[in-house]
Amino acid sequence: AQSVSQHNHHVILSEAASLELGCNYSYGGTVNLFWYVQYPGQHLQLLLKYFSGDPLVKGIKGFEAEFIKSKFSFNLRKPSVQWSDTAEYFCAVQNTGGFKTIFGAGTRLFVKA
Amino acid sequence: DSGVTQTPKHLITATGQRVTLRCSPRSGDLSVYWYQQSLDQGLQFLIQYYNGEERAKGNILERFSAQQFPDLHSELNLSSLELGDSALYFCASSSGQVGLTDTQYFGPGTRLTVL
Repeated sequence: AQSVSQHNHHVILSEAASLELGCNYSYGGTVNLFWYVQYPGQHLQLLLKYFSGDPLVKGIKGFEAEFIKSKFSFNLRKPSVQWSDTAEYFCAVQNTGGFKTIFGAGTRLFVKA
Repeated sequence: DSGVTQTPKHLITATGQRVTLRCSPRSGDLSVYWYQQSLDQGLQFLIQYYNGEERAKGNILERFSAQQFPDLHSELNLSSLELGDSALYFCASSSGQVGLTDTQYFGPGTRLTVL
């Protein structure tokens, strides 16, 4: 069965620190991959997505993610975080048929000013 | 603004009651998804509709039901409410085109409090 694992439930960083949030999935077929962000009190917003092509995907607000097929991973990165990046981040995996999207449990990021 | 609208924003009700949450998808989207988000369970997929028909089912309780109407808006009905049903309920929409990439766009959510 499809599953998504986000290794860190809580991450605390200081401003200007680099960020990497792990996401691993389990699915035998071809997948589409997403990262969503949920700022406090708000709804989920799409940060970036990977469908095909260059495995290094750039999203909004300086975020990027790299799809490593051999490792079934799609880790989210940002070179220098800001206080405004404090939010919960969700990784999601979708089989390319588009029928089912599975979300990870989320990682809460707190950035200290 | 994602283009997905949900009403009401907040709902406070008592145990045993029944409520209806409403979602209007983005213009042109045929697929609607419902999610429940709570502190202890995280983001749980409940159900998906595509062009009026149920397409996929997740962890939806039997006390909960949903439908998608001809104008593509959707309603999630929650009955015999329990304290544990208190949560944020999100609706998302997508084009729903099978075989293509299918990005979900989320609405602002309805916060349900059961007292």
